[in-house]
Amino acid sequence: SQQGEEDPQALSIQEGENATMNCSYKTSINNLQWYRQNSGRGLVHLILIRSNEREKHSGRLRVTLDTSKKSSSLLITASRAADTASYFCATDTDSGTYKYIFGTGTRLKVLA
Amino acid sequence: DTGVSQDPRHKITKRGQNVTFRCDPISEHNRLYWYRQTLGQGPEFLTYFQNEAQLEKSRLLSDRFSAERPKGSFSTLEIQRTEQGDSAMYLCASSLAGVGITEAFFGQGTRLTVV
Repeated sequence: SQQGEEDPQALSIQEGENATMNCSYKTSINNLQWYRQNSGRGLVHLILIRSNEREKHSGRLRVTLDTSKKSSSLLITASRAADTASYFCATDTDSGTYKYIFGTGTRLKVLA
Repeated sequence: DTGVSQDPRHKITKRGQNVTFRCDPISEHNRLYWYRQTLGQGPEFLTYFQNEAQLEKSRLLSDRFSAERPKGSFSTLEIQRTEQGDSAMYLCASSLAGVGITEAFFGQGTRLTVV
Protein backbone atom coordinates (compact mmCIF):
# COMPACT_ATOMS: atom_id res chain seq x y z
CA SER A 1 0.00 0.00 0.00
CA GLN A 2 1.13 3.54 -0.63
CA GLN A 3 1.51 5.86 2.32
CA GLY A 4 2.24 8.93 0.28
CA GLU A 5 0.77 10.46 -2.81
CA GLU A 6 2.65 13.02 -4.85
CA ASP A 7 0.94 15.76 -6.76
CA PRO A 8 1.04 16.48 -9.63
CA GLN A 9 1.76 13.14 -11.25
CA ALA A 10 3.58 14.92 -14.07
CA LEU A 11 5.01 18.41 -14.45
CA SER A 12 6.60 20.07 -17.44
CA ILE A 13 8.36 23.43 -17.10
CA GLN A 14 10.89 25.60 -18.86
CA GLU A 15 14.48 25.77 -17.74
CA GLY A 16 14.93 28.51 -15.15
CA GLU A 17 11.41 28.19 -13.74
CA ASN A 18 10.64 26.85 -10.30
CA ALA A 19 9.08 23.43 -9.80
CA THR A 20 6.87 22.56 -6.86
CA MET A 21 5.82 19.05 -5.97
CA ASN A 22 3.56 18.04 -3.12
CA CYS A 23 3.33 14.90 -1.04
CA SER A 24 0.47 13.88 1.19
CA TYR A 25 0.57 11.00 3.62
CA LYS A 26 -1.85 9.20 5.87
CA THR A 27 -0.37 8.43 9.28
CA SER A 28 1.84 10.21 11.80
CA ILE A 29 5.50 10.15 10.91
CA ASN A 30 8.94 10.56 12.45
CA ASN A 31 10.51 11.89 9.28
CA LEU A 32 9.99 12.34 5.57
CA GLN A 33 12.57 11.98 2.82
CA TRP A 34 12.62 13.15 -0.77
CA TYR A 35 14.37 11.18 -3.50
CA ARG A 36 15.15 11.70 -7.16
CA GLN A 37 15.21 8.91 -9.71
CA ASN A 38 16.48 9.20 -13.23
CA SER A 39 14.92 6.82 -15.71
CA GLY A 40 15.89 3.23 -15.02
CA ARG A 41 18.32 4.16 -12.26
CA GLY A 42 18.44 3.93 -8.49
CA LEU A 43 17.10 6.54 -6.10
CA VAL A 44 19.25 9.48 -5.06
CA HIS A 45 18.61 10.88 -1.61
CA LEU A 46 17.85 14.60 -1.67
CA ILE A 47 16.78 15.70 1.77
CA LEU A 48 15.36 14.42 5.07
CA ILE A 49 13.04 16.51 7.22
CA ARG A 50 12.09 15.50 10.72
CA SER A 51 8.58 15.74 12.10
CA ASN A 52 9.58 18.60 14.40
CA GLU A 53 10.99 20.63 11.51
CA ARG A 54 8.95 22.86 9.25
CA GLU A 55 11.41 23.80 6.53
CA LYS A 56 14.82 22.72 5.22
CA HIS A 57 17.03 23.97 2.46
CA SER A 58 19.73 22.28 0.45
CA GLY A 59 21.17 24.20 -2.46
CA ARG A 60 18.30 24.87 -4.89
CA LEU A 61 15.96 22.61 -2.92
CA ARG A 62 13.49 23.77 -0.32
CA VAL A 63 11.32 21.30 1.57
CA THR A 64 8.45 22.16 3.85
CA LEU A 65 6.52 19.90 6.18
CA ASP A 66 3.06 20.51 7.64
CA THR A 67 2.28 17.68 10.03
CA SER A 68 -1.17 19.07 10.81
CA LYS A 69 -2.10 18.65 7.15
CA LYS A 70 0.07 15.55 6.68
CA SER A 71 1.74 17.08 3.69
CA SER A 72 5.14 18.14 2.41
CA SER A 73 6.32 20.12 -0.57
CA LEU A 74 9.55 20.09 -2.55
CA LEU A 75 10.53 23.26 -4.37
CA ILE A 76 13.31 23.22 -6.95
CA THR A 77 14.34 26.75 -7.83
CA ALA A 78 15.93 27.84 -11.13
CA SER A 79 15.38 24.41 -12.66
CA ARG A 80 17.82 22.88 -15.12
CA ALA A 81 17.39 20.25 -17.80
CA ALA A 82 19.41 17.92 -15.57
CA ASP A 83 16.62 18.10 -12.97
CA THR A 84 14.43 16.05 -15.31
CA ALA A 85 13.59 12.96 -13.26
CA SER A 86 10.93 11.37 -11.08
CA TYR A 87 10.68 12.65 -7.52
CA PHE A 88 9.38 10.56 -4.64
CA CYS A 89 8.59 11.22 -1.03
CA ALA A 90 9.09 8.46 1.52
CA THR A 91 7.74 8.40 5.03
CA ASP A 92 8.37 6.22 8.00
CA THR A 93 5.71 5.91 10.65
CA ASP A 94 5.89 6.45 14.37
CA SER A 95 4.30 3.06 15.02
CA GLY A 96 7.58 1.39 15.95
CA THR A 97 8.32 -0.03 12.52
CA TYR A 98 11.11 1.52 10.55
CA LYS A 99 10.21 0.78 6.97
CA TYR A 100 9.85 3.64 4.52
CA ILE A 101 6.76 3.86 2.39
CA PHE A 102 6.95 5.66 -0.93
CA GLY A 103 4.46 7.70 -2.84
CA THR A 104 3.64 7.33 -6.50
CA GLY A 105 6.05 10.01 -7.65
CA THR A 106 6.02 13.18 -9.71
CA ARG A 107 7.60 13.00 -13.16
CA LEU A 108 9.31 16.33 -13.79
CA LYS A 109 10.40 17.36 -17.25
CA VAL A 110 12.51 20.50 -17.60
CA LEU A 111 12.63 21.81 -21.14
CA ALA A 112 15.80 23.53 -22.32
CA ASP B 1 32.95 3.48 -3.76
CA THR B 2 31.36 3.64 -0.32
CA GLY B 3 27.72 3.62 -1.43
CA VAL B 4 25.21 0.77 -1.51
CA SER B 5 26.23 -1.81 -4.08
CA GLN B 6 23.93 -4.25 -5.84
CA ASP B 7 24.83 -7.18 -8.02
CA PRO B 8 23.99 -7.99 -10.74
CA ARG B 9 22.70 -4.81 -12.34
CA HIS B 10 20.66 -6.75 -14.85
CA LYS B 11 19.34 -10.31 -14.88
CA ILE B 12 17.36 -12.06 -17.58
CA THR B 13 15.99 -15.44 -16.63
CA LYS B 14 13.54 -17.97 -17.93
CA ARG B 15 10.28 -18.51 -16.14
CA GLY B 16 10.63 -21.16 -13.48
CA GLN B 17 14.30 -20.53 -12.78
CA ASN B 18 15.66 -19.35 -9.44
CA VAL B 19 17.57 -16.08 -9.14
CA THR B 20 19.59 -14.53 -6.35
CA PHE B 21 20.53 -10.89 -5.91
CA ARG B 22 23.14 -9.44 -3.61
CA CYS B 23 23.25 -6.15 -1.75
CA ASP B 24 26.26 -4.70 0.05
CA PRO B 25 25.18 -1.83 2.28
CA ILE B 26 27.23 1.14 3.41
CA SER B 27 29.70 -0.44 5.79
CA GLU B 28 28.61 1.06 9.11
CA HIS B 29 24.88 0.82 8.37
CA ASN B 30 22.98 -1.70 10.48
CA ARG B 31 19.61 -1.45 8.78
CA LEU B 32 19.02 -2.89 5.30
CA TYR B 33 15.90 -2.72 3.15
CA TRP B 34 14.65 -4.43 0.01
CA TYR B 35 12.14 -2.80 -2.31
CA ARG B 36 10.57 -3.70 -5.62
CA GLN B 37 9.66 -1.17 -8.27
CA THR B 38 7.66 -1.67 -11.43
CA LEU B 39 7.50 0.76 -14.31
CA GLY B 40 5.78 4.02 -13.46
CA GLN B 41 5.29 3.14 -9.80
CA GLY B 42 7.00 4.06 -6.58
CA PRO B 43 9.16 1.53 -4.76
CA GLU B 44 7.18 -1.04 -2.77
CA PHE B 45 8.54 -2.26 0.54
CA LEU B 46 9.46 -5.95 0.68
CA THR B 47 11.44 -6.51 3.85
CA TYR B 48 14.04 -5.03 6.17
CA PHE B 49 16.77 -6.19 8.52
CA GLN B 50 18.35 -4.69 11.57
CA ASN B 51 21.74 -6.34 11.78
CA GLU B 52 21.03 -9.99 10.94
CA ALA B 53 17.43 -10.00 12.19
CA GLN B 54 14.66 -9.79 9.61
CA LEU B 55 12.18 -7.53 11.38
CA GLU B 56 9.39 -7.17 8.88
CA LYS B 57 8.17 -8.77 5.69
CA SER B 58 5.54 -7.40 3.35
CA ARG B 59 2.61 -9.50 2.24
CA LEU B 60 4.05 -8.89 -1.24
CA LEU B 61 6.86 -11.25 -0.29
CA SER B 62 5.35 -14.59 -1.24
CA ASP B 63 6.75 -17.97 -0.22
CA ARG B 64 8.86 -17.91 -3.36
CA PHE B 65 10.85 -14.98 -2.02
CA SER B 66 13.43 -15.27 0.72
CA ALA B 67 15.92 -12.76 2.04
CA GLU B 68 18.88 -13.27 4.32
CA ARG B 69 21.50 -11.19 6.01
CA PRO B 70 23.57 -13.88 7.70
CA LYS B 71 26.31 -11.82 9.31
CA GLY B 72 24.58 -8.49 9.48
CA SER B 73 26.55 -7.18 6.54
CA PHE B 74 25.57 -8.07 2.96
CA SER B 75 22.13 -9.42 2.11
CA THR B 76 20.74 -11.73 -0.54
CA LEU B 77 17.26 -11.85 -2.03
CA GLU B 78 16.30 -15.11 -3.70
CA ILE B 79 13.29 -15.65 -5.91
CA GLN B 80 12.39 -19.27 -6.58
CA ARG B 81 10.37 -20.48 -9.59
CA THR B 82 10.31 -17.03 -11.15
CA GLU B 83 7.16 -15.81 -12.86
CA GLN B 84 6.74 -13.09 -15.46
CA GLY B 85 5.08 -10.92 -12.82
CA ASP B 86 8.37 -10.88 -10.91
CA SER B 87 9.90 -8.70 -13.62
CA ALA B 88 10.80 -5.47 -11.88
CA MET B 89 13.64 -3.40 -10.48
CA TYR B 90 14.77 -4.71 -7.08
CA LEU B 91 16.24 -1.98 -4.93
CA CYS B 92 18.29 -2.23 -1.78
CA ALA B 93 18.82 0.54 0.74
CA SER B 94 20.68 0.93 4.01
CA SER B 95 20.60 3.28 6.95
CA LEU B 96 22.16 3.70 10.37
CA ALA B 97 19.79 3.16 13.25
CA GLY B 98 20.32 3.97 16.86
CA VAL B 99 21.90 7.41 16.67
CA GLY B 100 18.89 9.47 15.79
CA ILE B 101 17.15 9.55 12.47
CA THR B 102 19.35 9.00 9.45
CA GLU B 103 18.80 8.90 5.76
CA ALA B 104 18.25 5.69 3.81
CA PHE B 105 20.58 5.41 0.82
CA PHE B 106 19.76 3.28 -2.19
CA GLY B 107 21.81 1.22 -4.57
CA GLN B 108 21.44 1.32 -8.34
CA GLY B 109 19.11 -1.66 -8.31
CA THR B 110 18.92 -5.01 -10.06
CA ARG B 111 16.62 -5.10 -13.04
CA LEU B 112 15.04 -8.54 -13.42
CA THR B 113 13.39 -9.64 -16.63
CA VAL B 114 11.59 -12.98 -16.64
CA VAL B 115 10.97 -14.34 -20.12
